[in-house]
Amino acid sequence: GNSVTQMEGPVTLSEEAFLTINCTYTATGYPSLFWYVQYPGEGLQLLLKATKADDKGSNKGFEATYRKETTSFHLEKGSVQVSDSAVYFCALTSTDSWGKLQFGAGTQVVVTP
Amino acid sequence: KAGVTQTPRYLIKTRGQQVTLSCSPISGHRSVSWYQQTPGQGLQFLFEYFSETQRNKGNFPGRFSGRQFSNSRSEMNVSTLELGDSALYLCASSDITGGGYNEQFFGPGTRLTVL
Repeated sequence: GNSVTQMEGPVTLSEEAFLTINCTYTATGYPSLFWYVQYPGEGLQLLLKATKADDKGSNKGFEATYRKETTSFHLEKGSVQVSDSAVYFCALTSTDSWGKLQFGAGTQVVVTP
Repeated sequence: KAGVTQTPRYLIKTRGQQVTLSCSPISGHRSVSWYQQTPGQGLQFLFEYFSETQRNKGNFPGRFSGRQFSNSRSEMNVSTLELGDSALYLCASSDITGGGYNEQFFGPGTRLTVL
């Protein structure tokens, strides 16, 4: 079956630091990959996506590249802000799993001024 | 367009009771998926509905059920509540185009507390 593994948190950074959150996956079928973000007390917001190998998703300064050869989809941001403090989830869906997102465990990111 | 809405936002129930949660997808979205989020188990898929048909189901007991109406609104029901059912229940909708899936858009969730 499908699975997603992402680095454990919390990750604590100072403002303007570089952020990387590692995500690797196993999947049957042809997966699409996503990063979602969850702020306290809220639902999940889509941050970015990639639907095929070598696609790069980007949004709000965050980037992730779909690497089929290493089955990875690492999230990066060059300069974080306090407002980026949240929990980040890597997820995938595949053509053989209707409507099901398989999520990683989530990584809490704390950015301090 | 309005986003995904879920009602109620908060619920407190006691063991043995049943509960119904409601989800209204984004206008035009026909796929609705439900997830349970807990600190211990993370985000787990419950089921997905498309055009009033359940197409996929996660590994939850039969106490968890759902349905979808002709206007794509969906409800999930949990019968004989247990303490372990306390969780944030998230609904997501998706606009299915072609042969694949677009991203899912999530509602704010319903926080269920079972006492």
